[in-house]
Amino acid sequence: NAGVTQTPKFQVLKTGQSMTLQCAQDMNHNSMYWYRQDPGMGLRLIYYSASEGTTDKGEVPNGYNVSRLNKREFSLRLESAAPSQTSVYFCASSENMDRSNQPQHFGDGTRLSIL
Amino acid sequence: GENVEQHPSTLSVQEGDSAVIKCTYSDSASNYFPWYKQELGKRPQLIIDIRSNVGEKKDQRIAVTLNKTAKHFSLHITETQPEDSAVYFCAATSRSDSNSGYALNFGKGTSLLVTP
Repeated sequence: NAGVTQTPKFQVLKTGQSMTLQCAQDMNHNSMYWYRQDPGMGLRLIYYSASEGTTDKGEVPNGYNVSRLNKREFSLRLESAAPSQTSVYFCASSENMDRSNQPQHFGDGTRLSIL
Repeated sequence: GENVEQHPSTLSVQEGDSAVIKCTYSDSASNYFPWYKQELGKRPQLIIDIRSNVGEKKDQRIAVTLNKTAKHFSLHITETQPEDSAVYFCAATSRSDSNSGYALNFGKGTSLLVTP
């Protein structure tokens, strides 16, 4: 039981390049999330998917797109990477965000540097 | 939206002492308050959570208290050990802007250092 798996673990991009961060969970959770973590800023929500087939913007969605491929997988895409998107990206999942008392379970993160 | 403030941003204690981290929130409808521990280079991991129908919860050396009237909650770690050194995040739920459910709003974290 792996929980939440993110790939890749590390990536270096040049400004303007595109890439997709992958996330998969094996806990049969309905809801999935993408966060970015920057020093002193905590965890900021980029996008989330309450259930398969739905996605919504979080606090900092500009420059990103997401796809909820199926119940297990939720990907984050940077279409044209910018240095300001250098960060650690975490994917998380929860059983069902319709319920207010649901803990979120995090993946190991992707460390992304954009030169 | 929800605003979660966390203090202090850094905390240094001697091994065996207690550590207290405090958070305040703005949304009076918030009713779930988890705490996460993040070791260097690792994922945030849930260590304890509290729901609004209780005022205190304990798990061995860790306890969380909640004051709904004042809209603040705290993490207490007793008999601290060097392995408690990490960044700790508080969070509170609030209704998402899209009304599709409840999102977690995180504090900015407290870096705890326990010195032997």
